[in-house]
Amino acid sequence: GEDVEQSLFLSVREGDSSVINCTYTDSSSTYLYWYKQEPGAGLQLLTYIFSNMDMKQDQRLTVLLNKKDKHLSLRIADTQTGDSAIYFCAETFKAAGNKLTFGGGTRVLVKP
Amino acid sequence: DVKVTQSSRYLVKRTGEKVFLECVQDMDHENMFWYRQDPGLGLRLIYFSYDVKMKEKGDIPEGYSVSREKKERFSLILESASTNQTSMYLCASSLRTGGLYEQYFGPGTRLTVT
Repeated sequence: GEDVEQSLFLSVREGDSSVINCTYTDSSSTYLYWYKQEPGAGLQLLTYIFSNMDMKQDQRLTVLLNKKDKHLSLRIADTQTGDSAIYFCAETFKAAGNKLTFGGGTRVLVKP
Repeated sequence: DVKVTQSSRYLVKRTGEKVFLECVQDMDHENMFWYRQDPGLGLRLIYFSYDVKMKEKGDIPEGYSVSREKKERFSLILESASTNQTSMYLCASSLRTGGLYEQYFGPGTRLTVT
């Protein structure tokens, strides 16, 4: 079955870059996603990448996809205190229809 | 502005009680989902629905049931609450589209069963 894994915690200084990593097991993934959950809130879609892409850039966010190693990463440039949150990677694949499979989430703490 | 609302932010129930968690979306979405969120385990899918009166089991349906009588409303039911159902419950909705499935989430209900 499908499995998505992330490290639990990341601490970063304000102004530095953050890199959050994710590995997945299903090679038939169609889209891979990054969701952000701020304290006391639900999840919000941050960005996504189609599985035939290697990289996607959106302002301070860069998503890298290594299909060979089944590795997804999210880089946040010039990390701000407002970036402190839990970040979830997720995937959909053809057999799953409309369902998302989520990783365990990485809690990012930005220190001033 | 898209909106998914959940009936309660915090709920405390006793073991054995029947618990109803309500979710309403105002985006005319076909798909609705119930997840539970536990630290380190991420989000696990309990049940989902592609249409009114339609339901499908997710990865952890045991101890739960659902109801979708209207398109905008999806209810999660704990028939007899147990302490291991203490968790954060998140509802989500999405359009029925091919390819990119952006799910919109409610703020969550933190349920404590004592």
